[in-house]
Formats: sequence, structure tokens, C-alpha cells
Amino acid sequence: DQQVKQNSPSLSVQEGRISILNCDYTNSMFDYFLWYKKYPAEGPTFLISISSIKDKNEDGRFTVFLNKSAKHLSLHIVPSQPGDSAVYFCAAIRAGSNYKLTFGKGTLLTVNP
Amino acid sequence: DGGITQSPKYLFRKEGQNVTLSCEQNLNHDAMYWYRQDPGQGLRLIYYSQIVNDFQKGDIAEGYSVSREKKESFPLTVTSAQKNPTAFYLCASSLRGGYNEQFFGPGTRLTVL
Repeated sequence: DQQVKQNSPSLSVQEGRISILNCDYTNSMFDYFLWYKKYPAEGPTFLISISSIKDKNEDGRFTVFLNKSAKHLSLHIVPSQPGDSAVYFCAAIRAGSNYKLTFGKGTLLTVNP
Repeated sequence: DGGITQSPKYLFRKEGQNVTLSCEQNLNHDAMYWYRQDPGQGLRLIYYSQIVNDFQKGDIAEGYSVSREKKESFPLTVTSAQKNPTAFYLCASSLRGGYNEQFFGPGTRLTVL
């Protein structure tokens, strides 16, 4: 049973436009969410996170939005750059789980020059 | 520089052989994790350790074993009991006991022939 879902396996956008990556979760006990970026044959790198007590967190070109009632979060990248082309993983932490991460399957973002 | 190292980058083994993947960190993190990534899949947790001399099974621990004799090291053994060992293996570490991001190593690609 997949508790963190990224329903779009891939997304293609033009350089300079907005990229929106979506993530849905089913477990209402998740209370912290993270986004990771991963290039092929490398380890993921942390991008941005958000606590369930917030609905928005911003860091430079990256903004994460959380809609708890819909169990949905999204990562916005503005403006998108070719170097942003990578796989983006959404992950969630449930309180009382030893702070383990549960990952989605990822979305491959391609930013075209 | 502080970070996580995994060696080797690529590893080939014959079916039926045990193989040990190395993971070392100098971030002074208490918690360490092993994940497996398969094509089109997210990261799945194999084992994790919150502190030296203690570790717990993750979601897919069957066919794997670990040890945590030192804070800096968390080796993973892929045994012959693992039915589909060919995968990309990622090691991570984090501060213990909180909503802390995990830092990942570069990964080891294991191919069993």
C-alpha cells in the first residue's frame, strides 16, 4: 500500500516557466514532508521541507505548499532552469515512527532550454 | 569535507555469493539508513540504526543484514537469500530524534550475474 504517491512519472517544462510537482499522501498521521532532488547514479539531495502546522515554505526559487485537508503537497520551481532537470522525490515522516522517511516513486522533471 | 561515502560505486557478484556494501559518514550523525532503489520506484527502507550497536528492520529487510559497531560505519550485507539483489543501494545519515533531513551518499550499483 503506497502511502506517498507521485502520480506523474514525468513532467516537461520550458526554461523560465514554472514547474509544479505534485504529491499526495494517504496517511493522516504524516506531519512532516520533504522534497529531494536526484540526478542519475547519485544520491538524493535535500531541497526543502514543510511541517504540517504550516501551509507554505519558501526557499529561493523553491516553494512547497501543503493542503492538509486534501492530503496534498506541491513543489513549485520558479523560474525553472535546465539544471533543475532531475527526479524529484516527495517524502513524509510520521510522528512516532522513529522519524523514518516514506518516499514516493518520484517525478522526472525535464526543463527544456 | 563532511559527508557520506559509499564504496564501491559499481559492484558485480555471482549469484549465490554474499556481498557487503560499505557506508561511512563523518557528519557525527547518530542515525544511519540503508535504502534500495529500483527503476521507476521510490526509495525503500532496508534497515536503519538510531545508535551504535542497535538497528531495526525497515520495510524490505529480508535477505539483508547490517551491523553498527561504530558510529561512523553502517555496512550492509546482501545475502544469497535476497531474491532480487540487483539494484541501486543508498546509504543515508541524519541527526537522531527529530524531523531532520537525511543526507545521502552517492550510492552503490550492485549487479548480480
